[in-house]
Amino acid sequence: AQSVTQPDIHITVSEGASLELRCNYSYGATPYLFWYVQSPGQGLQLLLKYFSGDTLVQGIKGFEAEFKRSQSSFNLRKPSVHWSDAAEYFCAVGARQAGTALIFGKGTTLSVSS
Amino acid sequence: GAVVSQHPSWVICKSGTSVKIECRSLDFQATTMFWYRQFPKQSLMLMATSNEGSKATYEQGVEKDKFLINHASLTLSTLTVTSAHPEDSSFYICSARDPLTYEQYFGPGTRLTVT
Repeated sequence: AQSVTQPDIHITVSEGASLELRCNYSYGATPYLFWYVQSPGQGLQLLLKYFSGDTLVQGIKGFEAEFKRSQSSFNLRKPSVHWSDAAEYFCAVGARQAGTALIFGKGTTLSVSS
Repeated sequence: GAVVSQHPSWVICKSGTSVKIECRSLDFQATTMFWYRQFPKQSLMLMATSNEGSKATYEQGVEKDKFLINHASLTLSTLTVTSAHPEDSSFYICSARDPLTYEQYFGPGTRLTVT
């Protein structure tokens, strides 16, 4: 079965500290992987994506993620968190075919403490 | 970059009425669009896949007679919530996949409140 697991429901990080949000996937085909961020009451904003090539991908707002095929993981990292990073983060997986929808994890709520 | 728009951004309707939500791809032609529903503090759940010129494909548990989807053109898909009930209150998000880049673009969402 195709699925995305985000093991951490809620994470609190001190401002300036590093962050890692975990994402594991189960997918039958070659996965395309995404991280989105959503602020309360807002739509989704794409942080970064992995289609192929270099397994370390850089995104917006200083985020990066590393694709590890052997671990079926696509963890999101940021070296120094800002208070404005507090939001809901979703990992998603999809196939290459344009007609297939993305499957989302349940999300991780990030709180930033001062 | 590519943009997907939704209209309206929020709507309040009375129980028993119908509401139509539009989803448009502005920069590319989308043969396939997707409709998701998101309850408060929950993830996005795929409701259906909208195919241009043919019937939509609904996910298990989604009532196709209640959530009518029409994909009349390569840039427009509509979701009509028929005979709305308070439990249909949710955040509805559409998305479209660019067939050239494979990237999936999301609309800003529509907040539906049924009173």
